[in-house]
Amino acid sequence: DTEVTQTPKHLVMGMTNKKSLKCEQHMGHRAMYWYKQKAKKPPELMFVYSYEKLSINESVPSRFSPECPNSSLLNLHLHALQPEDSALYLCASSQLPPGTFGNTIYFGEGSWLTVV
Amino acid sequence: AQTVTQSQPEMSVQEAETVTLSCTYDTSESDYYLFWYKQPPSRQMILVIRQEAYKQQNATENRFSVNFQKAAKSFSLKISDSQLGDAAMYFCVNAGNMLTFGGGTRLMVKP
Repeated sequence: DTEVTQTPKHLVMGMTNKKSLKCEQHMGHRAMYWYKQKAKKPPELMFVYSYEKLSINESVPSRFSPECPNSSLLNLHLHALQPEDSALYLCASSQLPPGTFGNTIYFGEGSWLTVV
Repeated sequence: AQTVTQSQPEMSVQEAETVTLSCTYDTSESDYYLFWYKQPPSRQMILVIRQEAYKQQNATENRFSVNFQKAAKSFSLKISDSQLGDAAMYFCVNAGNMLTFGGGTRLMVKP
């Protein structure tokens, strides 16, 4: 089972709203990731959690706030977003920490975010 | 720094035919993995095949196979007996320190 589950699948929010994206995996993976993907572009790494600690933040604006409550869950809290933040947000996980040789990353279906 | 280049933004293939997607990469690491991911219109990124750089044998997964040329830093994906469900965006990925994605190739399958 290589399942990463993301909710909601679609989210429309206003620029003053506060919302959250959720991600869950039960594969015992110890690293979890948030990627942002614009149309017809490859995913761009936002954050990485390794053993429930934030290990990589790719200079993401503070209106995006990640949270890893436990090893199976990853949240992305959204506040005061801009229309240009509209994108597909992909969660992923891997058994090994990022940068480990042989690490394979598994992706969820993504959450479509539209900021109006 | 790692780079991955997919020189074909779009490709098309007739159903049941064979198609090859190109990928070249650059890396300073001696050990690394290479992947092909498929992203259909449903948008889930699905792992298609992976290749360990230290292995000379090309990876194969059913109708999918790779031609890995380490010296040339080339990693192409061959899809045999193409099916309508193969239509998707395909990303070549270098998994060194972190994942480095190519720009993607959109594959269309004609019935």
